[in-house]
Amino acid sequence: EAGVAQSPRYKIIEKRQSVAFWCNPISGHATLYWYQQILGQGPKLLIQFQNNGVVDDSQLPKDRFSAERLKGVDSTLKIQPAKLEDSAVYLCASSQNVRDTQYFGPGTRLTVL
Amino acid sequence: AQTVTQSQPEMSVQEAETVTLSCTYDTSESDYYLFWYKQPPSRQMILVIRQEAYKQQNATENRFSVNFQKAAKSFSLKISDSQLGDAAMYFCAYRSSPGGATNKLIFGTGTLLAVQP
Repeated sequence: EAGVAQSPRYKIIEKRQSVAFWCNPISGHATLYWYQQILGQGPKLLIQFQNNGVVDDSQLPKDRFSAERLKGVDSTLKIQPAKLEDSAVYLCASSQNVRDTQYFGPGTRLTVL
Repeated sequence: AQTVTQSQPEMSVQEAETVTLSCTYDTSESDYYLFWYKQPPSRQMILVIRQEAYKQQNATENRFSVNFQKAAKSFSLKISDSQLGDAAMYFCAYRSSPGGATNKLIFGTGTLLAVQP
């Protein structure tokens, strides 16, 4: 069974530029999560989808971050415009449903200069 | 709000020895899940072990076991017969039960484990 796929693995941008990350969850997983992991900290949930609906986006900085999960499968997370403090690893995870274990992808390391 | 605390930023263990990583948490909920995840330099979070709060029996997965003390809100991870491949950052995480406030994972700050040959 293929795991959670993410791309790109690394991204370097200048502040005020925009960036997008892509996630493909494990086949059949209805729940998808985006976490932000700042260096030296544990991951923090940004947004959770159940199929293509948003369940929790309470910690998503909506003035600059947006996410979508069209057709309830793949998801994209966008930052526009990026700030220095957005430098972090962005982890995508999926689970079969909200009760199940979350499986993580390899993450995207974003550096904002 | 729920919080997770890992008070050991770094730990070291000799190969084949046993090490225990500490985790405490705070919650007012009675039903929840606790997890230990391993994050090697590749950055991929890998589930090590999971404990349901309603179960009194401590979870075990091969060389990994937990000591779950619900009253003390403590959830430590014991790694027996440590191997070089166990070297990684270990995160303790909390999740509400499905009917709880949220099912997001709440992570501690991690413990970096080094394994000495």
